[in-house]
Amino acid sequence: DAKTTQPNSMESNEEEPVHLPCNHSTISGTDYIHWYRQLPSQGPEYVIHGLTSNVNNRMASLAIAEDRKSSTLILHRATLRDAAVYYCILKRDSGAGSYQLTFGKGTKLSVIP
Amino acid sequence: SAVISQKPSRDICQRGTSLTIQCQVDSQVTMMFWYRQQPGQSLTLIATANQGSEATYESGFVIDKFPISRPNLTFSTLTVSNMSPEDSSIYLCSVGHGGRRDTEAFFGQGTRLTVV
Repeated sequence: DAKTTQPNSMESNEEEPVHLPCNHSTISGTDYIHWYRQLPSQGPEYVIHGLTSNVNNRMASLAIAEDRKSSTLILHRATLRDAAVYYCILKRDSGAGSYQLTFGKGTKLSVIP
Repeated sequence: SAVISQKPSRDICQRGTSLTIQCQVDSQVTMMFWYRQQPGQSLTLIATANQGSEATYESGFVIDKFPISRPNLTFSTLTVSNMSPEDSSIYLCSVGHGGRRDTEAFFGQGTRLTVV
């Protein structure tokens, strides 16, 4: 089972960095680590993904532990628009050319003005 | 990228009736996925729909309750049949490209269903 563990909720002050942790101790060698976020009343949106190396994009950075059993999503300067539920997901092939995204409970991030 | 349109965005339905949700994508995609998000909960995969084949349902979901059509590479429908208040949820359509692990998935805005 592609299970991940995240804190239920976190708070951050506006314009400060946020580090959202995720544990995935059962990760297999070919699983990709994906992060999505869901803003209120919207569908999930892609944030970032990685396999082994740390990754940066315009939205965030992803730091992956050397043993790949944990990762951290980093928002460099939180804004009010970053308030959302953040999901850490292991993406793996489910066979026949398909893949599965198994959503956990996610972390609800609150940003304080 | 892919832009997904879902219709309706929300609906209030009487118990015992059925609702068909449409999902339109702006590009051709191999696989489409239907998720359910119950109030205050995370997303749960209902089924995977490939064009030209029967949908594959996850444990706890059956075709008689959630029939799915996939007539072409840009469109799919999910029907919620014989609805009860327990079916009140947000239903989301999602697409991925090529079935690869290193590509992102895209989601529609969801259909908020209330059954009374």
